[in-house]
Parts: sequence; C-alpha cells; structure tokens
Amino acid sequence: DGGITQSPKYLFRKEGQNVTLSCEQNLNHDAMYWYRQDPGQGLRLIYYSQIVNDFQKGDIAEGYSVSREKKESFPLTVTSAQKNPTAFYLCASSRQGNSHGYTFGSGTRLTVV
Amino acid sequence: AQTVTQSQPEMSVQEAETVTLSCTYDTSENNYYLFWYKQPPSRQMILVIRQEAYKQQNATENRFSVNFQKAAKSFSLKISDSQLGDTAMYFCAANTDKLIFGTGTRLQVFP
Repeated sequence: DGGITQSPKYLFRKEGQNVTLSCEQNLNHDAMYWYRQDPGQGLRLIYYSQIVNDFQKGDIAEGYSVSREKKESFPLTVTSAQKNPTAFYLCASSRQGNSHGYTFGSGTRLTVV
Repeated sequence: AQTVTQSQPEMSVQEAETVTLSCTYDTSENNYYLFWYKQPPSRQMILVIRQEAYKQQNATENRFSVNFQKAAKSFSLKISDSQLGDTAMYFCAANTDKLIFGTGTRLQVFP
C-alpha cells in the first residue's frame, strides 16, 4: 500500500544535539512538507519542497534544516539552534498544484531531555 | 499572506445530533481550495472534505457537509448524526500554494 512513513515514532534528544527525523513516501508525489504541531497552535509549516533538489522555508524555519536528494525522501534535521524543539512533527506529501489534499505520515514526537 | 481562523477551541455534541464547526480565512488569491481535516487521538491526519473556491455548490461527503460563503470568507463544517468516532480535533485549512491550517477545534461526542 502506498503511504508516508515517518520514523521514529518517539525521539529523545539531549540539549545541544542535532537530530534527524525521517520521512519517506511511495506515492510518487512531487511535493513534500514538514509541519510542527504544538497544543493550541495547530500545524505550522517548517519547510516544503515541490521538486527534488529544491526546497523553501515555511513560517517557522529557524533552527531547522532539510534536504531533498530523492523524490521519496525529505528528512528534517532539528538543530541545536532550535530553542524549543519539543513538539509533534508531521510530514506530508501531495501531487503538484493546490487542488490536492495532503497525505500525512503518523508523526514523530520529539522530546528534549 | 493567507490566514485561517477557528474561533471555537472546544465543542461538544450528543450522539446522533448535529454540530457545526466554524472557520474563516483570508487570502488575496482567486484560485484556492479549502479543506477540513480530522485528527483523532491516534494523531493521524485524515482528510474529511474539500471545497473548490470557484464552485458555489457546497461540498458533501456522507454525514459531513460544508457551508461555503465566499464573500464572507467563511467555511464551516456540519456533522450530521454525530457518532462517538467523530470525537477528534478538526482543522480547517486553505491552500493557495501551500496548505495553511487553523488552530483547530476539539470536538467531543457524548453518548
């Protein structure tokens, strides 16, 4: 079955460390997205990529980095510069164009300890 | 910039009754699409319904329907015959070139 796989489901990070969240899709979608979800704030866009080897900052990109070397993969690195990284992270993908809904992964819960 | 506002942080409804969740949005674009997503306790995001802005007819998916008022930039979701499984967070979203979400409404369905 086609879908989006996020791993790991839970992740713990020590302060000052970088950590990478994985997102893989087999839907043949061109576009991929990373959102952060905090209580009471909905989903906020971190980065998005509409084509391989290209990506754009979303509304809250500071302290994060991404790469898009393959169509299927869009990993997110949470760097030590991110001051409050504890959150639920959701990856999504879609076909090109704004008429399509996004397909979401099951999320990664990141906790800084 | 586009914004999406959901003014009801929490709502509750009795099983089999009807409930309406409100959403307003702001965009300067003419070509856009609107969505409602459901996020149950599993936290998996599920697409509920989609509305094309250039269509006046309100979208319907089984028990879910929308009231789309383009001039007022309003996009409410009506859930008929509410079921216990409808208990979830509901997010309204607008897509011009990327999907922007509101802050969500937590819906509790009581037996």
